[in-house]
Amino acid sequence: ILNVEQSPQSLHVQEGDSTNFTCSFPSSNFYALHWYRWETAKSPEALFVMTLNGDEKKKGRISATLNTKEGYSYLYIKGSQPEDSATYLCAFLKAAGNKLTFGGGTRVLVKP
Amino acid sequence: ETGVTQTPRHLVMGMTNKKSLKCEQHLGHNAMYWYKQSAKKPLELMFVYNFKEQTENNSVPSRFSPECPNSSHLFLHLHTLQPEDSALYLCASSQGTGLETQYFGPGTRLLVL
Repeated sequence: ILNVEQSPQSLHVQEGDSTNFTCSFPSSNFYALHWYRWETAKSPEALFVMTLNGDEKKKGRISATLNTKEGYSYLYIKGSQPEDSATYLCAFLKAAGNKLTFGGGTRVLVKP
Repeated sequence: ETGVTQTPRHLVMGMTNKKSLKCEQHLGHNAMYWYKQSAKKPLELMFVYNFKEQTENNSVPSRFSPECPNSSHLFLHLHTLQPEDSALYLCASSQGTGLETQYFGPGTRLLVL
């Protein structure tokens, strides 16, 4: 059983503040890490697919870093806005193939 | 709109019923997936199909029976389900390998009475 842990489970952020949260995954047999954003009543939406140690990806105010040797990834939201409120999911891919193992998600609520 | 549609969006069924969930993708992808999201649990992979062939069955009970007649359509046939099978069932598709982004449908919220 693969352990993909996300912390914290939830967090409240004041509008305009920046925040970050963590995804931990097994450091062995790493192939890729996916980040998804899931708004209530909508479909999960892809943010990033990360493959290289030290990789950093950015999409607007959201960015992510990857450390495959120690088995963690950070997702950052800069200058949070109410529309950033969502559950952010990471998913670990152990080997070439299609089997993603998801973490439990970090639920972000941005307060105006 | 993600290009992946699911019907029905909501379903209530008794334990003796037989029902089917349908997923269709309009993205020209080769791989399709069924996921289950139970309350307070991570999203869990159920089945993977690549070019209509099943490549993953994540130890899913036989009361869930998938069918993939072509690369654009995926079904999940349900029979004699249990109340603990109540969950959100998500379909997804991708172009190919796990390095490719998966595109998710809106899900079917299933309640088994």
